[in-house]
Amino acid sequence: DTGVSQDPRHKITKRGQNVTFRCDPISEHNRLYWYRQTLGQGPEFLTYFQNEAQLEKSRLLSDRFSAERPKGSFSTLEIQRTEQGDSAMYLCASSLGSGAYGYTFGSGTRLTVV
Amino acid sequence: AQTVTQSQPEMSVQEAETVTLSCTYDTSESDYYLFWYKQPPSRQMILVIRQEAYKQQNATENRFSVNFQKAAKSFSLKISDSQLGDAAMYFCAYFTYDMRFGAGTRLTVKP
Repeated sequence: DTGVSQDPRHKITKRGQNVTFRCDPISEHNRLYWYRQTLGQGPEFLTYFQNEAQLEKSRLLSDRFSAERPKGSFSTLEIQRTEQGDSAMYLCASSLGSGAYGYTFGSGTRLTVV
Repeated sequence: AQTVTQSQPEMSVQEAETVTLSCTYDTSESDYYLFWYKQPPSRQMILVIRQEAYKQQNATENRFSVNFQKAAKSFSLKISDSQLGDAAMYFCAYFTYDMRFGAGTRLTVKP
């Protein structure tokens, strides 16, 4: 297992376009998390899954954002009608159990909306 | 709502010296966990050290140790014998049901 993988590493898109990011967690981890990190800030929680169920969504996750984790394996985060304010690093993490022993993070997808 | 505050946006340390990064948090919970994560430039975040709130003993991992003051809601990270590879953003994080992060401290290590 090579850890948490995120694809793509970088994405440049025009305002108004839709984008989709993928995260492959550590295979035995049942929880998967999405965070957003803007320059000079800490990661902000977006949403998390336990297996295939999406258990919590942040108010940061507007109607333009949707996340899925079919079959409790990989997850996708889609942003529709992107705006310049969506430019950020999108981090995925996973954990075994509740996460009280910490999360394992991926390298992130850097989104630039032009 | 739980908040995590890191009051030092930037810190600098001479190689082989010791540096302490500060973190305070606000919570009404009695049972929680605290973490320090390191994020090197353009690389993924990695866990440095973890503290369980119900344990009074401060956690230690090699050159990294914490000073956990539960009553003061303070959780500082001490890095001893600093190395060039310690240069990174350091994030303090609080966990109950999910992980919440502070804004980070950028640590520079001078040779």
